[in-house]
Amino acid sequence: GAVVSQHPSRVICKSGTSVKIECRSLDFQATTMFWYRQFPKKSLMLMATSNEGSKATYEQGVEKDKFLINHASLTLSTLTVTSAHPEDSSFYICSARDVTSGKGQETQYFGPGTRLLVL
Amino acid sequence: GQSLEQPSEVTAVEGAIVQINCTYQTSGFYGLSWYQQHDGGAPTFLSYNALDGLEETGRFSSFLSRSDSYGYLLLQELQMKDSASYFCAVRNFNKFYFGSGTKLNVKP
Repeated sequence: GAVVSQHPSRVICKSGTSVKIECRSLDFQATTMFWYRQFPKKSLMLMATSNEGSKATYEQGVEKDKFLINHASLTLSTLTVTSAHPEDSSFYICSARDVTSGKGQETQYFGPGTRLLVL
Repeated sequence: GQSLEQPSEVTAVEGAIVQINCTYQTSGFYGLSWYQQHDGGAPTFLSYNALDGLEETGRFSSFLSRSDSYGYLLLQELQMKDSASYFCAVRNFNKFYFGSGTKLNVKP
């Protein structure tokens, strides 16, 4: 099946610094990727849709200046948490749709997630 | 907007059958997906229903009734490795919105 990777898997940073998380589709091209946030024992919250070659679209309540998304190529999207604060500590997961597989738009492949801890 | 409801926790014994229900309200509906997530891991895709009816994939089946805004995931011949959280997710065009998840505890 399709593989999506994320880097780093874990990151600890000081409050006020910025952290960049990469999401890559390894064996397929993804014109659209999604970024989710998950708190412990909670559901995945869709943050934004990352579109290759255009601006990301953010869900209501998500600060676009806080969570910068860049979809520079068909296999890479990055999420930068700017001026991170302890409340930004969370599990960030990306996903990508493989629309070339014939499975249509219903299948998302998730990355392994990035656990961010802001001290 | 979207809202999904599923039970928070279900317990069953090995070999049994368990059904996890999901009801939803959404402004736009294209289909209902189910995902499995083990502690500390990423969600993995289980099934997708765009049309009413039952979809079967091995020990797992998923059902959808669009008129009732309702679906369920059926797990048969439960195994210990099935202990995980299960999320339903509605698809609205190209986006997916997740329910709060059901923690399944499988006991010997």
